[in-house]
Amino acid sequence: NAGVTQTPKFQVLKTGQSMTLQCAQDMNHNSMYWYRQDPGMGLRLIYYSASEGTTDKGEVPNGYNVSRLNKREFSLRLESAAPSQTSVYFCASWDDRKTYNSPLHFGNGTRLTVT
Amino acid sequence: RKEVEQDPGPFNVPEGATVAFNCTYSNSASQSFFWYRQDCRKEPKLLMSVYSSGNEDGRFTAQLNRASQYISLLIRDSKLSDSATYLCVVRVGRDSSYKLIFGSGTRLLVRP
Repeated sequence: NAGVTQTPKFQVLKTGQSMTLQCAQDMNHNSMYWYRQDPGMGLRLIYYSASEGTTDKGEVPNGYNVSRLNKREFSLRLESAAPSQTSVYFCASWDDRKTYNSPLHFGNGTRLTVT
Repeated sequence: RKEVEQDPGPFNVPEGATVAFNCTYSNSASQSFFWYRQDCRKEPKLLMSVYSSGNEDGRFTAQLNRASQYISLLIRDSKLSDSATYLCVVRVGRDSSYKLIFGSGTRLLVRP
């Protein structure tokens, strides 16, 4: 079982460059999420998608755009990267039909450095 | 104010000790609560859900206090392998549009 596949694992960008982080899940989950994690900050929600065709802003959406291409895929785009976007990015999916004991399934993370 | 707040620690305890973490949340409409564990530079993993009546899983006990809007995690007989960051997670939302909000985590160090 692949679970959540997130690419790339590492990326270095120069200020002003753009890139798209890809995420796909094969568990037929409705909900998908993008988080960023900075030292001492925990995971902060960037955007989420409750179902195919819908996206909503999280806590820190500025500087990002997302696309829920289909039920499987949820991509995160940085149009003009800034050093403040240096972080570890996690994609996750969740079976929202269950209330308890339904874990978030995370990708392995993308370590992004913007110089 | 953050939606979910935790004491960052670190909590430095000897093996065999009992340690407790608290987490407060600001949204009274929060519906579900979880504890996740995260090891260094890895993705978080679900430790346990938190039921309204409290629940236990081996050495771990989780409690929910809706009136005071906090949840707690108690770890008994700490092991070296319990060293990690513990993340409190709260589910908010409605109409099938839910988001999961993480606290910033509490770091636990268990020493020999």
